[in-house]
Amino acid sequence: EVQLLESGGNLVQPGGSLRLSCAVSGFSIRTYAMRWVRQAPGKGLEWVAVIGDSGGPTYYADSVEGRFIVSRDISRSTLYLQMDSLRAEDTAVYYCANDVRGYYHYWGQGTLVTVSS
Amino acid sequence: EMVMTQSPATLSVSPGESATLSCRASQPVDFNLAWYQQKPGQSPRLLIYGASTRATGVPARFSGSGSWTDFTLTISSLQSEDFAVYYCQEYNNWRHTFGQGTKLEIK
Repeated sequence: EVQLLESGGNLVQPGGSLRLSCAVSGFSIRTYAMRWVRQAPGKGLEWVAVIGDSGGPTYYADSVEGRFIVSRDISRSTLYLQMDSLRAEDTAVYYCANDVRGYYHYWGQGTLVTVSS
Repeated sequence: EMVMTQSPATLSVSPGESATLSCRASQPVDFNLAWYQQKPGQSPRLLIYGASTRATGVPARFSGSGSWTDFTLTISSLQSEDFAVYYCQEYNNWRHTFGQGTKLEIK
């Protein structure tokens, strides 16, 4: 059974940092590119970051470029999103998903990040 | 910058009837278009990829069509479980863009 389990979401002050994790089981994260997608409260979906199936390349949405870093640990079958210089507009549920030649087949349940003072 | 525009924003349909949802890309995306269903409190679910291929386990009442810039998701004989928000997503390159969503509600 395929499972993606995000964790690490929390309440953080503006300018702070968080690291999100996505633990994957049921397939190897070397098989697919992996993506982070976020959804602000009551809003639509926004692609955030991607890491290629070979561990690179990595690409980011303009809204997070220079502040977020996506990485992975094959041995732990885990995807990460390091988020620095957080802003109020980064408040969202963050999902991880596998990228199957562009579309997202499996999604995690999401983890909530709230940026507020 | 790619913009995906979905219409209508909200669609009210009675159970048993059909619903037609539209998605328009600001630039050509060939057939690189997916549709997702999201219910309250749940993660999105892949329905359609390649503009018209149903994902595994998706009922045949869901069908996708279109290419280039104009796409349609049709849901025939609506069931109670189909009332949700639907998103289109283009994947013509590595920078993907979602539409803003269409809320399908019970009339």
